[in-house]
Amino acid sequence: GNSVTQMEGPVTLSEEAFLTINCTYTATGYPSLFWYVQYPGEGLQLLLKATKADDKGSNKGFEATYRKETTSFHLEKGSVQVSDSAVYFCALSRNNNAGNMLTFGGGTRLMVKP
Amino acid sequence: EPEVTQTPSHQVTQMGQEVILRCVPISNHLYFYWYRQILGQKVEFLVSFYNNEISEKSEIFDDQFSVERPDGSNFTLKIRSTKLEDSAMYFCASAGGYEQYFGPGTRLTVT
Repeated sequence: GNSVTQMEGPVTLSEEAFLTINCTYTATGYPSLFWYVQYPGEGLQLLLKATKADDKGSNKGFEATYRKETTSFHLEKGSVQVSDSAVYFCALSRNNNAGNMLTFGGGTRLMVKP
Repeated sequence: EPEVTQTPSHQVTQMGQEVILRCVPISNHLYFYWYRQILGQKVEFLVSFYNNEISEKSEIFDDQFSVERPDGSNFTLKIRSTKLEDSAMYFCASAGGYEQYFGPGTRLTVT
């Protein structure tokens, strides 16, 4: 079946540091890939997405590229801020059709210090 | 901006009791979901719902669980006889297309 593996946290960085959170997946066919973010006390918010190989999703300075050859979708940001402190979840769905379930990774907590 | 809402934010119940978790999806969405996250573990899919019926469910979603859309706005998850291991954060989500929008969750504590 489908699965998502992401690096364990917490990841602690100083403000303006470079961020990478690794995510790899196992899936058949052509899954769609997502990063969700969960701020303290809130629900999961879609951060970015990519629906086919070599697509780059980007939002709020975060980027991730869909790499089919390495089955990866690593999240990056060039300069993190304290306000980026949250838990980040990598997820996939079977394809980009409506109605499909999401399979999540375990989440990575990011803590950014001033 | 429209959002998914869930009530209550925290529910404490005794083992064996029935609980109903409520969700109000985004109004023009057609696909509805429940997920749960046991403390310290992954977010897990429970069930998806479309056109007034379950479209997919996981192994977790056994006979103790049911979902309903009783009117045009609410989407509920019922657990008939709660167990200690049902303690988790339960997230509702809705979608108009393939992007799912999540509510803030209900923390269920079974004692």
